[in-house]
Amino acid sequence: QAVVTQEPSLTVSPGGTVTLTCGSNTGAVTSGHYPFWFQQKPGQAPRTLIYDASKKHSWTPARFSGSLLGGKAALTLSGAQPEDEAEYYCMLSYRGARVFGTGTKVTVL
Amino acid sequence: EVQLVESGGGLVKPGGSLRLSCATAGFTFSSYSINWVRQAPGKGLEWVSSISSSSTYIDYAESVKGRFTISRDNAKNQIYLQMNSLRVEDTAVYYCTREAYGVVDYWGQGTLVSVSS
Repeated sequence: QAVVTQEPSLTVSPGGTVTLTCGSNTGAVTSGHYPFWFQQKPGQAPRTLIYDASKKHSWTPARFSGSLLGGKAALTLSGAQPEDEAEYYCMLSYRGARVFGTGTKVTVL
Repeated sequence: EVQLVESGGGLVKPGGSLRLSCATAGFTFSSYSINWVRQAPGKGLEWVSSISSSSTYIDYAESVKGRFTISRDNAKNQIYLQMNSLRVEDTAVYYCTREAYGVVDYWGQGTLVSVSS
């Protein structure tokens, strides 16, 4: 089974910018992996932020953006707010099977 | 309003069985695929299983293949996850999620399954 890796933790200042990445041990992450990004706050269900690497849902704040960068999927948070402090997970598709990343804890401090 | 509500969780002994349900409302159920995702206490998310709108395509994670069975009743707008031969490591909150054309959007609030002797 594929292994999807993310940074364990990142810290960003209020109003600052941070980029989270999502890599695969099978090689470069491409649009064919249909990358997703999810946000989860303590005690809550996850919420989908990004699909197809860069597409947003109607509820996704404009300060979040997704991309493919250097063989990985990336989630950039520009203008971080205190309420963005959360765990962030990516998910990649491998011909029907889905694999979640290990998660990144983002602290806004 | 789109709603997904999981139920059926509880405490079960190793080797036992449980059937989870995901009741849905607020959308045309028969047009959507549904996924089950779980999260062990203090751990990350793990995809468990997916079923397409007409049940044509079904997939399972290797960790549950042969033990879990996903099914749906489009007349009742419900999804089921039959879990047999449960192990301690299956202890988790189980979420159902809605998906169309490869786009996962809404999640339920989850139901807790505890496997312990």
